[in-house]
Amino acid sequence: DTAVSQTPKYLVTQMGNDKSIKCEQNLGHDTMYWYKQDSKKFLKIMFSYNNKELIINETVPNRFSPKSPDKAHLNLHINSLELGDSAVYFCASSLSRRSSYNEQFFGPGTRLTVL
Amino acid sequence: ILNVEQSPQSLHVQEGDSTNFTCSFPSSNFYALHWYRWETAKSPEALFVMTLNGDEKKKGRISATLNTKEGYSYLYIKGSQPEDSATYLCAFPKSYNTDKLIFGTGTRLQVFP
Repeated sequence: DTAVSQTPKYLVTQMGNDKSIKCEQNLGHDTMYWYKQDSKKFLKIMFSYNNKELIINETVPNRFSPKSPDKAHLNLHINSLELGDSAVYFCASSLSRRSSYNEQFFGPGTRLTVL
Repeated sequence: ILNVEQSPQSLHVQEGDSTNFTCSFPSSNFYALHWYRWETAKSPEALFVMTLNGDEKKKGRISATLNTKEGYSYLYIKGSQPEDSATYLCAFPKSYNTDKLIFGTGTRLQVFP
């Protein structure tokens, strides 16, 4: 059983297109995240949701919009894709947001390539 | 600016060697320190969450220590095996009672048979 799953695993698309990445967790966690692995291999947080409510929204272009239909799902929609959006995007979840101690469980990543 | 630094950037060792690497973080306002193991083509996986100065945690051949006063944590691997090859990341919460983690760039370990 996969704890945190993402689809698709690979996404190749043209500049200007709109695309979505889906994430699901079956751990019963309250909090879910989107991270971007940048060109220097840093993992940087983009968003976090707690029980469908947006909690963290880092300095991310408005073209990126997360949506959480329920606490087990957090999707990432990207409008008007740009070359610089090419990266690996990771979804993660944790038990609760109000703790520095909870480990985060990561999905397998989605490699987005914008041509 | 909150910096989490890891060294070395990469490490190559022979099977059976023991090895260690470092994570440095701001020593003021310590909250917790996370270690993750990230194998190529897989997801990062939590190893330890360390909270108290002097903490030592162990999982099989991997152990970690924490010094919050001087702002570092060591990860040790005893008798490295090829399956230990991975990138080891540490992460530091940005502020008190937050899950917003600042990750280091990791130490990439390669263990040769």
